[in-house]
Amino acid sequence: AQSVTQLGSHVSVSEGALVLLRCNYSSSVPPYLFWYVQYPNQGLQLLLKYTSAATLVKGINGFEAEFKKSETSFHLTKPSAHMSDAAEYFCAVSGARGSTLGRLYFGRGTQLTVWP
Amino acid sequence: IAGITQAPTSQILAAGRRMTLRCTQDMRHNAMYWYRQDLGLGLRLIHYSNTAGTTGKGEVPDGYSVSRANTDDFPLTLASAVPSQTSVYFCATRQGASMNTEAFFGQGTRLTVV
Repeated sequence: AQSVTQLGSHVSVSEGALVLLRCNYSSSVPPYLFWYVQYPNQGLQLLLKYTSAATLVKGINGFEAEFKKSETSFHLTKPSAHMSDAAEYFCAVSGARGSTLGRLYFGRGTQLTVWP
Repeated sequence: IAGITQAPTSQILAAGRRMTLRCTQDMRHNAMYWYRQDLGLGLRLIHYSNTAGTTGKGEVPDGYSVSRANTDDFPLTLASAVPSQTSVYFCATRQGASMNTEAFFGQGTRLTVV
C-alpha cells in the first residue's frame, strides 16, 4: 500500500530564509508523488508532481522537490521564503494498483509560518 | 471559469438530520472524490467514483453515501448526522483514475453538527 509521512506539523522560517518541508513515502512500486498547497479557507492546489520523468521537479511560486529513491523522500524546498508562502502544505502519493488505483493518499500536512 | 462547485459553503446541522453536500464539475473529468479534512489528520478519502455509474468506498466511508448518476455531479449524503462528522469536506476530480494526473479541488464545505 502507498502512504506518505510528513515530518513536522509546523515549520517557521524568517522571510528570505530557506524553506524545507519533509515528506517520506512508502510504496511497493515506483511512486507518483505530489505536493499541494492550501491557503486559508481555500481548497488545495497543485504545487508540483513527480511522475518519473526527472528527479528534480520544479513547481509554481519558486518551489521545487527532489525525488530520492534511496531515501524514499520527496522534500519540498524554496530558496527564499516570502510572506505569501504562509499556508498548509500536503504531500500525497497516488495509489498504484487494484482498488487503490487513482486514489490520492495525503500526509497530515505541514503548516508553514513566515516571519517578517 | 471552469471548475468544481461545492454547495453549501458552510452549514450548521442538528444531529440526526439528513444532509446532502453537492459537488458539480464542468471539466468532464471521469474520476471524482470526497475527502474530509480534520485538524492534524490531513485529508481522508470518504468515497470515490472512477467513472459515471460506479462508486467505491475510501478510508472513512461509514455514515456517508454517494451516487454518480452522470459525469458532472457527485453528491455526498449524511443519512443521520453525528457530531464526529463535523469537518471540512472537499470534492475533487481527476482526468482519469490513473496514477499521474493531478487532482483538482473545490473550495470546500464547512459542516458543523451540533
